[in-house]
Amino acid sequence: NAGVMQNPRHLVRRRGQEARLRCSPMKGHSHVYWYRQLPEEGLKFMVYLQKENIIDESGMPKERFSAEFPKEGPSILRIQQVVRGDSAAYFCASSPTSGRTEAFFGQGTRLTVV
Amino acid sequence: QQPVQSPQAVILREGEDAVINCSSSKALYSVHWYRQKHGEAPVFLMILLKGGEQKGHEKISASFNEKKQQSSLYLTASQLSYSGTYFCGTELPGSSNTGKLIFGQGTTLQVKP
Repeated sequence: NAGVMQNPRHLVRRRGQEARLRCSPMKGHSHVYWYRQLPEEGLKFMVYLQKENIIDESGMPKERFSAEFPKEGPSILRIQQVVRGDSAAYFCASSPTSGRTEAFFGQGTRLTVV
Repeated sequence: QQPVQSPQAVILREGEDAVINCSSSKALYSVHWYRQKHGEAPVFLMILLKGGEQKGHEKISASFNEKKQQSSLYLTASQLSYSGTYFCGTELPGSSNTGKLIFGQGTTLQVKP
């Protein structure tokens, strides 16, 4: 059973470009969470999705950031018009149910904006 | 809302013990502990669900005092492989149906031979 798969592992974008980060949850997991981690800091919750639904996006910046988890395919975190401050590691986690259960993290995508 | 972890960093010799604390100003629904090595994904250690519950995994155990809104992670007879950054993630009652975690700032543990 493969773990949570994220790609790409490393992504370099110029300011103003778009970044698309993909996350395939573990088999049988329908709950996906995105977290952002700045260097030497903790993980900050961004968004929680179930298939075709955004359940909690309280941690998402109001502009430029969006997320989806379509019926088929991976979850996508999209950042439009990237700025230097978007440089961070973005982790995806999945779980079989919501709440009070272990979440499995992917290896993360390290976004660098130049 | 972010839980506070202490200490921020600790250096141990192999075989020594350590305690990492996690305190919240909010009532907690559950506490999750993760370990992250540099450049890698956080790895789940354990989850604590009830007041006063204690769980263990080999030489790593944890307690959860619901009343005090605190959790502690105990590492006994530390090994080199224990090195990394430890995060507590808290689930608040209002978010009990989502699994959303609010993480502390992390405690860096370095175990030396």
